[in-house]
Amino acid sequence: EAQVTQNPRYLITVTGKKLTVTCSQNMNHEYMSWYRQDPGLGLRQIYYSMNVEVTDKGDVPEGYKVSRKEKRNFPLILESPSPNQTSLYFCASSPILGQGPGELFFGEGSRLTVL
Amino acid sequence: QQPVQSPQAVILREGEDAVINCSSSKALYSVHWYRQKHGEAPIFLMILLKGGEQKGHDKISASFNEKKQQSSLYLTASQLSYSGTYFCGTETSSNYKLTFGKGTLLTVNP
Repeated sequence: EAQVTQNPRYLITVTGKKLTVTCSQNMNHEYMSWYRQDPGLGLRQIYYSMNVEVTDKGDVPEGYKVSRKEKRNFPLILESPSPNQTSLYFCASSPILGQGPGELFFGEGSRLTVL
Repeated sequence: QQPVQSPQAVILREGEDAVINCSSSKALYSVHWYRQKHGEAPIFLMILLKGGEQKGHDKISASFNEKKQQSSLYLTASQLSYSGTYFCGTETSSNYKLTFGKGTLLTVNP
């Protein structure tokens, strides 16, 4: 089954404790992206990747890191989480359409709480 | 910069029509539309790449006006299953950066 898998789905952590949210897709998509969703703010892009070893900042990259060493994986790293990073996180992947992302396939989301 | 969606919320009765608008302050390369139901991930509806072109499936269609830097989503003869939050996403150049609006909450009542 074609899917985007995120882990963990739920996490409660404390300020400053490094964590990684993994994202994996099995559709051989070139494009992958991370979004955070907060009430009233919609989906805000954190980072995106056009292909292996090619990443770029989205609209809210502060406090996050990413890497794309393999095509299928795109982990999101919070080096020193803070309470303002409490949010619902979505990973998405898509094939390239023209010169941009095509249909985005989203993971089920990871709800992160930082105390 | 986030595109601006309007209205923020709309309530319909089954069978009624609705239009959701998405405006950008910058020239658009493409517009994406997604629907998200409560507690679920967003689901793709359509992408528009060319100005003035209408795309659609079933009773949902969309237009893209490059000159006005805006797109509109048309929901015809709404069904209960159309309820959810609709997001438009925009690319302002071919740089792979897709920025979503804050969403429009659509509620369809029997």
